[in-house]
Amino acid sequence: KQEVTQIPAALSVPEGENLVLNCSFTDSAIYNLQWFRQDPGKGLTSLLLIQSSQREQTSGRLNASLDKSSGRSTLYIAASQPGDSATYLCAVPSYLNSGGYQKVTFGTGTKLQVIP
Amino acid sequence: DGGITQSPKYLFRKEGQNVTLSCEQNLNHDAMYWYRQDPGQGLRLIYYSQIVNDFQKGDIAEGYSVSREKKESFPLTVTSAQKNPTAFYLCASSIDSGLAPPGFNEQFFGPGTRLTVL
Repeated sequence: KQEVTQIPAALSVPEGENLVLNCSFTDSAIYNLQWFRQDPGKGLTSLLLIQSSQREQTSGRLNASLDKSSGRSTLYIAASQPGDSATYLCAVPSYLNSGGYQKVTFGTGTKLQVIP
Repeated sequence: DGGITQSPKYLFRKEGQNVTLSCEQNLNHDAMYWYRQDPGQGLRLIYYSQIVNDFQKGDIAEGYSVSREKKESFPLTVTSAQKNPTAFYLCASSIDSGLAPPGFNEQFFGPGTRLTVL
């Protein structure tokens, strides 16, 4: 059974700082890993999807890395801004049944606060 | 604008009532999903549908029902059998592009419905 852990649960940093969010998973036989952002009371916004064959994926100030062998992914945020304040979740799909449907296991998230 | 819409944003239910949450997408996605989010817990899958007129139970389907009569729509009914329905409900969809195993594609989420039992 896949388990996904995100530590720390909360993080507070001053504006402008570079930071790293961590995501660990127990079953390394993954197909891909997705990072999301969730603002309070809102739905999830997809940030990056990194395939198992990739080691990194970049979008603007965001960079996600994936190390399947160690069961880890990191989300790097460069030059953080107050607008980056949100909860960041990672999610890993795995086969649910013989038809190949994905069950997505979500981490509980890291709540980020960027202080002006 | 392409996207996923959920309505209502807030919903209040009295004990013993059934309520239905709406989810509509115009992304032409094949698969749709319903998740429940509770404080301090990860999202949990309630039901999913890979194709019209077909749906499967997720991890916590008891007390819920769904239908998939149209590709664009996947409504969720919270029945009186659900003993603790107060939560944030999220609908998602994904495409089956043929480039990945069925369902292993990027998921896109709606804005959510917050259900409160009075």
